[in-house]
Amino acid sequence: NAGVTQTPKFQVLKTGQSMTLQCAQDMNHEYMSWYRQDPGMGLRLIHYSVGAGITDQGEVPNGYNVSRSTTEDFPLRLLSAAPSQTSVYFCASSYSKADLGQLSNEQFFGPGTRLTVL
Amino acid sequence: SQQGEEDPQALSIQEGENATMNCSYKTSINNLQWYRQNSGRGLVHLILIRSNEREKHSGRLRVTLDTSKKSSSLLITASRAADTASYFCATDMVWRRDDKIIFGKGTRLHILP
Repeated sequence: NAGVTQTPKFQVLKTGQSMTLQCAQDMNHEYMSWYRQDPGMGLRLIHYSVGAGITDQGEVPNGYNVSRSTTEDFPLRLLSAAPSQTSVYFCASSYSKADLGQLSNEQFFGPGTRLTVL
Repeated sequence: SQQGEEDPQALSIQEGENATMNCSYKTSINNLQWYRQNSGRGLVHLILIRSNEREKHSGRLRVTLDTSKKSSSLLITASRAADTASYFCATDMVWRRDDKIIFGKGTRLHILP
């Protein structure tokens, strides 16, 4: 298994540009999520999904869109990049509570995408 | 706002010593997890402790959970240079039906040779 993969590893954007960060997992996990990590702030949840066709907002959703058309893929879209979105972005996946009888579970993380917005 | 808060923010100890870091949280939880992040890498799961458990061991790791104080501690015994990393706690709030978990800001651990 490849686990959780993210592309690209690095990206530089100009203010106002749009782009999509890709995330894919091959573990048949229902739950997927996106975090951003900034110095001194830890990880903050952007959006998450409990299954195909279902997404919800996390702590810091503004400026980002997500969709979940398949179980495997969970792309994160920046609609109009701003310097405040300069960060390292991590995608994670796990089995869902529904699969584990309400017992929560280990998150598997991708290697991250380092994004700089000029 | 973040659910978990680790303490201390940074810790430096000599190789071979034990390292203890703490996590406090605000609302009742189903379980608490600890993760490690090496510099420039993604997070790796270390251990999960459920709300009805008080202590759990995994190799050199010992985790305790005190639900009355809403706190957990992670002890790494006989530290090694390879333990240098950031450590995060993550909580799953009991009132949520979904799988959302929230991470704290982390403790940066540095093992001195």
